[in-house]
Amino acid sequence: DVKVTQSSRYLVKRTGEKVFLECVQDMDHENMFWYRQDPGLGLRLIYFSYDVKMKEKGDIPEGYSVSREKKERFSLILESASTNQTSMYLCASSLVGEGNEQFFGPGTRLTVL
Amino acid sequence: AQRVTQPEKLLSVFKGAPVELKCNYSYSGSPELFWYVQYSRQRLQLLLRHISRESIKGFTADLNKGETSFHLKKPFAQEEDSAMYYCALRPGGRFGAGTRLTVKP
Repeated sequence: DVKVTQSSRYLVKRTGEKVFLECVQDMDHENMFWYRQDPGLGLRLIYFSYDVKMKEKGDIPEGYSVSREKKERFSLILESASTNQTSMYLCASSLVGEGNEQFFGPGTRLTVL
Repeated sequence: AQRVTQPEKLLSVFKGAPVELKCNYSYSGSPELFWYVQYSRQRLQLLLRHISRESIKGFTADLNKGETSFHLKKPFAQEEDSAMYYCALRPGGRFGAGTRLTVKP
């Protein structure tokens, strides 16, 4: 049973703070993804990684960076948190190859004050 | 550019009525389409994928490359189908804005 875990369920930070969101998967998946989920906007892709140390920008990478030093771990970094980054953040992982589904973590609800 | 469009943000039907959730996509290559569902207080999970041509929980979806659509259908909706539904496009991992389905008793 695939498990994707995220370091925090709820997080409250102040404007300007550096924020780290961690995601770990235990099924040796090559692909990992970070999304933000907002009402009416759905899931928007921030970054994804298809291998260790490899990353590609998604649709809304501004204000975010990522790190993938180990295959099982994909970190999302908010360099200087702003109030418009208040959101639900979802991590996902998948195998490469046709038809492979994404497995999602429970999400981290981040509030930036 | 990859894009997934779900035109209805909210959809409400009565129990036993047919339901169709629309999804259109744009992608220049060979697309893989998926439907994901998120029930209240649960994580997002796969409902079905076009490549399997399967029926899950009574739901089906057919990929129509000519119309670039992947609509989700169920002939008789149940109250337990109430959830948020997302259409997704691979490769690239793009999702639509989602449709909240409410099935009324």
